[in-house]
Amino acid sequence: KNQVEQSPQSLIILEGKNCTLQCNYTVSPFSNLRWYKQDTGRGPVSLTIMTFSENTKSNGRYTATLDADTKQSSLHITASQLSDSASYICVVSGPAGTALIFGKGTTLSVSS
Amino acid sequence: NAGVMQNPRHLVRRRGQEARLRCSPMKGHSHVYWYRQLPEEGLKFMVYLQKENIIDESGMPKERFSAEFPKEGPSILRIQQVVRGDSAAYFCASSPPLAGVYNEQFFGPGTRLTVL
Repeated sequence: KNQVEQSPQSLIILEGKNCTLQCNYTVSPFSNLRWYKQDTGRGPVSLTIMTFSENTKSNGRYTATLDADTKQSSLHITASQLSDSASYICVVSGPAGTALIFGKGTTLSVSS
Repeated sequence: NAGVMQNPRHLVRRRGQEARLRCSPMKGHSHVYWYRQLPEEGLKFMVYLQKENIIDESGMPKERFSAEFPKEGPSILRIQQVVRGDSAAYFCASSPPLAGVYNEQFFGPGTRLTVL
């Protein structure tokens, strides 16, 4: 069964600190993995997209890693800001044009 | 270039009524996807459409739900005889015709349906 599992379910950190979110998947065949940020009451916004041949990709303070052998990914956020408070969703896709499989997300709260 | 637009943003219906949710994809995008997000749950795929064609409806409930993407106009997700369990956020996403390996999908802001 195609599944995407994320951990932790929620996380609270102080402003300026770093954090790492985890994603494990069982989706097959695998085309790409992406991380989305979803603010409360908004639609998801793409942060990074990686194919199976890419190990890491950065977008500003966000760095995603992918190990296609172990089917694990992580999203590292450096120097967190209050505006980083959101749900971070790991999404895995099969071949182009097929549906995306969403994790339930990790809810990050950054406090001052 | 305007993003994916959805309307209404909020919709309240009583049990048994019909709900119509609209999605206008980004300019130049001919692929539309509908997802549903229940409270405390991740987004779940419902249906994938191209102009005048349903490509994949494996995530659609068998009854009361239908979707279309006509040659002209927005994509419509229609829910007949709504029940309280239909209360959720419904998101639309679009992608260009040649999506490539990334199959980049751009999401709209969602429609929050509340069934009383």
